[in-house]
Amino acid sequence: NAGVTQTPKFQVLKTGQSMTLQCAQDMNHEYMSWYRQDPGMGLRLIHYSVGAGITDQGEVPNGYNVSRSTTEDFPLRLLSAAPSQTSVYFCASRRRDRAYEQYFGPGTRLTVT
Amino acid sequence: GNSVTQMEGPVTLSEEAFLTINCTYTATGYPSLFWYVQYPGEGLQLLLKATKADDKGSNKGFEATYRKETTSFHLEKGSVQVSDSAVYFCALNTGFQKLVFGTGTRLLVSP
Repeated sequence: NAGVTQTPKFQVLKTGQSMTLQCAQDMNHEYMSWYRQDPGMGLRLIHYSVGAGITDQGEVPNGYNVSRSTTEDFPLRLLSAAPSQTSVYFCASRRRDRAYEQYFGPGTRLTVT
Repeated sequence: GNSVTQMEGPVTLSEEAFLTINCTYTATGYPSLFWYVQYPGEGLQLLLKATKADDKGSNKGFEATYRKETTSFHLEKGSVQVSDSAVYFCALNTGFQKLVFGTGTRLLVSP
């Protein structure tokens, strides 16, 4: 199993540009999440999904969109990038019955200039 | 609300030293508590967990005991190695989907 994969690993955007961060998992996990990691702030939940076709907002959803058309994929879209979105983004997945056992991808480091 | 407070780092130790990283929490209900570790360039990995008061989680020589009376879950290791250098996150979960993470503590171990 590849686990949770994320692409790209690094990305530089200009303010106002749009892009999609990709996330895929091959463990047939129902739940998937997106977090951002900022210095001194730990990880903050952006959006999450409890299954295909179902998404919900986390702690810091503004400026981000998600969709979940398949169990495997959970892309994160930035419609109009802002410097405040410079961060490291992690995708995670887990089984429905194991709230604590999240599997994280390797992360995407995004810089918005 | 639910929150986790960790000691600020970095924590700098020599190899074979004793490690303690403090973690305290505030939560409604009865949370489960976790330590995650993030090695350089990688995502977070679950290190250990405890799901009820007085439980001790352990893995790879690390231990943490769920102390309800002091709302703490301190991480300890008797003899650290250079390979333990990483960022350690304390987290809690009160159910359903959401984990609440602390800010992380960086550990640097020198030979």
